[in-house]
This record gives sequence, C-alpha cells and structure tokens, in this order.
Amino acid sequence: AQSVTQLDSQVPVFEEAPVELRCNYSSSVSVYLFWYVQYPNQGLQLLLKYLSGSTLVESINGFEAEFNKSQTSFHLRKPSVHISDTAEYFCAVSGSNDYKLSFGAGTTVTVRA
Amino acid sequence: GAGVSQSPSNKVTEKGKDVELRCDPISGHTALYWYRQSLGQGLEFLIYFQGNSAPDKSGLPSDRFSAERTGGSVSTLTIQRTQQEDSAVYLCASNERGTYNEQFFGPGTRLTVL
Repeated sequence: AQSVTQLDSQVPVFEEAPVELRCNYSSSVSVYLFWYVQYPNQGLQLLLKYLSGSTLVESINGFEAEFNKSQTSFHLRKPSVHISDTAEYFCAVSGSNDYKLSFGAGTTVTVRA
Repeated sequence: GAGVSQSPSNKVTEKGKDVELRCDPISGHTALYWYRQSLGQGLEFLIYFQGNSAPDKSGLPSDRFSAERTGGSVSTLTIQRTQQEDSAVYLCASNERGTYNEQFFGPGTRLTVL
C-alpha cells in the first residue's frame, strides 16, 4: 500500500514569487506520481505526472516537479506564480502494478497581489 | 471530446433520505472510480469498477453505501438513510486500463445532508 504526506496545508504567496509544495510518499514498490490541481468550484485536473525516465517533469503552465527516489519525494515548484494559480494542489501516488490512487490531504495555495 | 460528467452538481437532502449520484465516464474508459472529498479529510477512495464488476469496494464506509455500473458505462452511487456525516463532494474518475493510472475526474456532486 502507498501513502502520501503533503507537509503544508496552506501556502500563502505573493504574485510573481516562487512557490514549493512538498510531497513525500511511502511505498515498497515502484510508483507513479501525480500532481492534481483543483481550482475553486471545479473538479481535479492533472497538472503533471512522473511515470519513468527523466526525474524532472514539467507542466505547460510553468510548474515542475522532481522525483527523488532516495528521499521518496515529489515536490512541486513554480518560479513565479500568478493570481490564477490560486487553487488546491493534491499529490497522488499509485503502485506501478496497482490501479488505485492514494492522495495527500492537499495544499491550498493562495496568491496575493 | 467529452469529459467525465456527474449529476446532479448539488444535492441537498434531509437526514434519513436516500440519494443517487450519477457518473458518466469518458467513452471507452473501462475503469471507473468513486472518491469522497470531505472537509479536512482529503480525497478518500470509495470503490473501483472494471467494466461492470467492482473488484474493490474496500473504501465504502458502511453498508448504507452501494454502487453499480451498467453496460460498462454509467455508474450510480447510492447512499441510503443519509446521515449528516455523509455531507461531502463525491467525485467520479475514469481511465483506460493500462494507462499508467492517470485518472480523469468529473466536476463532482456536492451533497449536503441537513
């Protein structure tokens, strides 16, 4: 079984500042890792994913995450946030031979001008 | 193409009533999942369907909860004798088998039990 810990429940940040959302997972098997974003009053959307290969993955809107196997982490970063990045961000993990996603508790990012 | 759709978007009911929540997955997706998102609880897995069968019902919180899927497509989550603690957003997701577990989510149904 896998589990996910998101260390920060709330992250306030000023516009154009960098942000990092921390995610650690526990698993005894190979994993796939995901970041989902939930904008206010909307469903979850996939932001980016790590399946294999390069440990650094990027999204189309400037977010990136790095898979660190030794630290069992998959932290999400963006060098300069916009007001529109205000949302809740969920880290999720599944075993490579599994079907179920295990989600972290979520991190609410609030971007202020 | 069309994404996952759920209905109703909002449901307010009285304690003790039964409710049905509907999910229409992406066409061709054989796997379907239900999750519950409660305040302060994060996303909680409820049930997984592969085709019409549900090999994993381990997340259903009590026997008041049941789900079915017909024709390998639409799924209905039924909550009998609703309680206030059932108030949450119920999310449905779908994917194709063998697609590295990326799941596509619907907008959710917000259930409020008074």
